[in-house]
Amino acid sequence: DVVMTQSPLFLPVTLGQPASISCTSSQSLVYSTGNTYLMWFQQKPGQSPRRLIYEVAIRDSGVPDRFSGSGSGTHFTLKISRVEAEDVAVYYCMQGTHWPRTFGQGTKLEI
Amino acid sequence: DVQLVQSGGGLVKPGGSLRLSCVASGFTFSSYLVNWVRQAPGKGLEWVSSISATSGYIYYADSVKGRFTISRDNAKNSLYLQMNSLRAEDTGVYYCSSGTRLDHWGQGTLVTVSS
Repeated sequence: DVVMTQSPLFLPVTLGQPASISCTSSQSLVYSTGNTYLMWFQQKPGQSPRRLIYEVAIRDSGVPDRFSGSGSGTHFTLKISRVEAEDVAVYYCMQGTHWPRTFGQGTKLEI
Repeated sequence: DVQLVQSGGGLVKPGGSLRLSCVASGFTFSSYLVNWVRQAPGKGLEWVSSISATSGYIYYADSVKGRFTISRDNAKNSLYLQMNSLRAEDTGVYYCSSGTRLDHWGQGTLVTVSS
């Protein structure tokens, strides 16, 4: 199985400052088509997860542009350019290239 | 708007069975792979199972293989998860989600396995 490793697991941040979460996969996430199926999800307390980014860097509709994704192969990053109070949540990366699908452990962002 | 509305869940004894349902609207359900993902209390997300658009491909996590069965009824825009031989470690919130990229998620339903 592909192991997804996130760091850090806890991320204390200051409002208005940038934040960055790393996600590393144990195998390349490049599919035979050339696409890379790496997604980022945000889960706020008591809510269902919400997808923020898919295929490494494509932001979902309605997601603020302060969120950005980057990376390739086995190393990926979610960045928040300026953290706002509403960004307090747990963030998960997930790979959709290989079966079984696997998630990272989650990164709890705290103000 | 895309909606995934879940039902089922509840309290069941170890070894018991439960069936979860998920009704989709706002998109062409029959064209999409759909998924179940679960979350144990205070823990992270765990992928459980996926079924392709025409049920031709079905995948399970090793932790549920042989005990859980995923199915769908495209005429009813519905996804199901039949859970048998339930264990305490199956306790958690179960989410249905649409698409290969897990585009949209249901509201979640709590399954508690306890004597």
